[in-house]
Amino acid sequence: EAAVTQSPRNKVAVTGGKVTLSCNQTNNHNNMYWYRQDTGHGLRLIHYSYGAGSTEKGDIPDGYKASRPSQENFSLILELATPSQTSVYFCASGDETVSGNTLYFGEGSRLIVV
Amino acid sequence: QQKVQQSPESLTVSEGAMASLNCTFSDGTSNNFRWYRQHSAKGLEVLVSIFSDGEKEEGRFTAHLNRANLHVSLHIREPQPSDSAVYLCAVSPIASSSFSKLVFGQGTSLSVVP
Repeated sequence: EAAVTQSPRNKVAVTGGKVTLSCNQTNNHNNMYWYRQDTGHGLRLIHYSYGAGSTEKGDIPDGYKASRPSQENFSLILELATPSQTSVYFCASGDETVSGNTLYFGEGSRLIVV
Repeated sequence: QQKVQQSPESLTVSEGAMASLNCTFSDGTSNNFRWYRQHSAKGLEVLVSIFSDGEKEEGRFTAHLNRANLHVSLHIREPQPSDSAVYLCAVSPIASSSFSKLVFGQGTSLSVVP
């Protein structure tokens, strides 16, 4: 059973429209993350969360909001989608340990904004 | 800010030959390092984590860390065509910080040919 699941897996949106990407984890991890992956940039952190009710800005938060209503769920929201947000988005969960933070990823959501 | 560079960008090896991937980082105080594998259109899976100088083996995957040289490598013994994927190096800072964000390299695309 996949421990981090994302939906939708594929989405085509129009410029100016609202897009919500959802993520559910069954790892019982406190921390959850949203990344985008683009050729030439690798994985870049958009938003993350320490737990239910918490959201924090990552390295590239502009144009995105996040919501963490529960331990299991973490959403990424594009209020006004733009073509520059065309990308593959990955959700991950993980927990801090004395040896650091291993992340467990979902399979990605491919978003095309036209 | 931590910078992580991977080389080569792409690598083709014959089935059964050793594959070697490299990763350099800019912050020598970083304390943990991970190699992830990403098959096409899939999420990332962690292969090996290493926290101290020297070698760490997980099955056919061996990581070597040399903090003095700001270098961590991944060696794949007897690679198979199913190992063809993008390999990502991830570095995180000292775990004494309240939150250790991973910084990813841009990846090495490995092709294993029969």
